[in-house]
Amino acid sequence: DIQMTQSPSSLSASVGDRITITCRASQGINNWLAWYQQKPDKAPKSLIYAASSLQSGVPPRFSGSGFGTDFTLTISSLQPEDFATYYCQQYNTHPPTFGGGTRVEIQ
Amino acid sequence: EVQLVQSGGGLIQPGGSLRLSCAASGFSVSHNYMSWVRQAPGKGLQWVSVIYSGGTTHYADSVKGRFTISRDISKNMFFLQMNGLRAEDSAVYFCARDYPSSPGFFDPWGQGTLVTVSS
Repeated sequence: DIQMTQSPSSLSASVGDRITITCRASQGINNWLAWYQQKPDKAPKSLIYAASSLQSGVPPRFSGSGFGTDFTLTISSLQPEDFATYYCQQYNTHPPTFGGGTRVEIQ
Repeated sequence: EVQLVQSGGGLIQPGGSLRLSCAASGFSVSHNYMSWVRQAPGKGLQWVSVIYSGGTTHYADSVKGRFTISRDISKNMFFLQMNGLRAEDSAVYFCARDYPSSPGFFDPWGQGTLVTVSS
């Protein structure tokens, strides 16, 4: 199975900050990479697919980039509702696998 | 509105069986890939199973031979039959649709249902 490694595992930031989360795949996955946001006791919410395509309804402050093994999720100006845990997921190779998550906390 | 609503789950003894249900609205389960993903308490997400539009099924190695994914097209629902449950199967189980233009990307998700395997 492809291993997905996210960094950092957690970060503290303030409203208005620009933050970047990194996701690395153990082998090349082309651009078949998704990002999800999850708040406590809620289902994940889809944010980005195909590495950089913003899902409908997701604010443009979210952006994704990358190809092959290295990917990033950027939030350009952190808003109060963005404090959550973020997961990357590869779907290039079966089975689909997720990163361990990055918890974004209020500083 | 494209939506998934789950039912089932609960407390079950080791070795027991449970069936989870997922009702779809706004789209047809027969024309989409439908998946189950689980999350153990305080842990990350783990893909469990998928049923393709043609009916082919796949499972994570950890549940193969014990779990069965199926669907009822007439009710626009799909299911996860879980047999031989173990403590390590305890988790919140989410149903999800594979996004049609990017299969493997999950959207939308069900609200989740808790399965606790304990004596």
